Amino acid sequence: NAGVTQTPKFRVLKTGQSMTLLCAQDMNHEYMYWYRQDPGMGLRLIHYSVGEGTTAKGEVPDGYNVSRLKKQNFLLGLESAAPSQTSVYFCASILGLAADTQYFGPGTRLTVL
Amino acid sequence: GESVGLHLPTLSVQEGDNSIINCAYSNSASDYFIWYKQESGKGPQFIIDIRSNMDKRQGQRVTVLLNKTVKHLSLQIAATQPGDSAVYFCAENNNQGGKLIFGQGTELSVKP
Repeated sequence: NAGVTQTPKFRVLKTGQSMTLLCAQDMNHEYMYWYRQDPGMGLRLIHYSVGEGTTAKGEVPDGYNVSRLKKQNFLLGLESAAPSQTSVYFCASILGLAADTQYFGPGTRLTVL
Repeated sequence: GESVGLHLPTLSVQEGDNSIINCAYSNSASDYFIWYKQESGKGPQFIIDIRSNMDKRQGQRVTVLLNKTVKHLSLQIAATQPGDSAVYFCAENNNQGGKLIFGQGTELSVKP
C-alpha cells in the first residue's frame, strides 16, 4: 500500500487565492490530522478528524477549513490565502487510539506571495 | 498568534560516538511519547515510542528514557552514523483525540 500521500507537493499562491490540499491514506485509519511546520519549529496541529464526517479544531485552525467526506481522504482548504500561511503542510493518520503512532505524508510546500 | 521561528538546538557528534537528544514535555497527564526523525524535505518518520508505565525502552541502536518526575524524555543513539543526520522531534499524546504535541526539535549532525 502507498501509506499516506499528499497532493500537490508544491504550490505557489497569490494573496487572496484559494486552494485545497488533499491527503489520502489506504490503511483504513480512523484518525487523520493536518499540521503545519514553520522553519525551526515543530509541527502545529491545524485540524483533525476522528472519523468519516467529523472534524475538530487543533492548535492553529484560523484561516483553514477541512472536510472528511470519505474515510480515506482528508482535505485542507485555504479560502483566502495569506503570506502567513506560507509553510510546509503535513498530513498524518492513525488506525485508532489504541494504535497511537502517527504515519506522516511527505508534505506539501506552500508559498503565498 | 503566530510564533516567531527559532533556531533549532543542534547537536554535532563524531561518527561512531553515541548521541543523546533531550526533550522536556509539558503535560503530566500525557501517557504516550514518541520520537520522530525528519530528514530534509521529508515527513517525520517514527523511531521509537514509550508509554508512561515504563522508564526505558530499547530498539535497534536507539533507547528512549522517560523521567516522569521531571517530565523529561531522552533519545540515545548508539554508534551514530552519517545517515542519522536529521532533525529529531519528541511528541507527547495528552489523551485528547489522539492529538500529539510536538517539541521544537533538535538537529543532529554527524561528522565523518
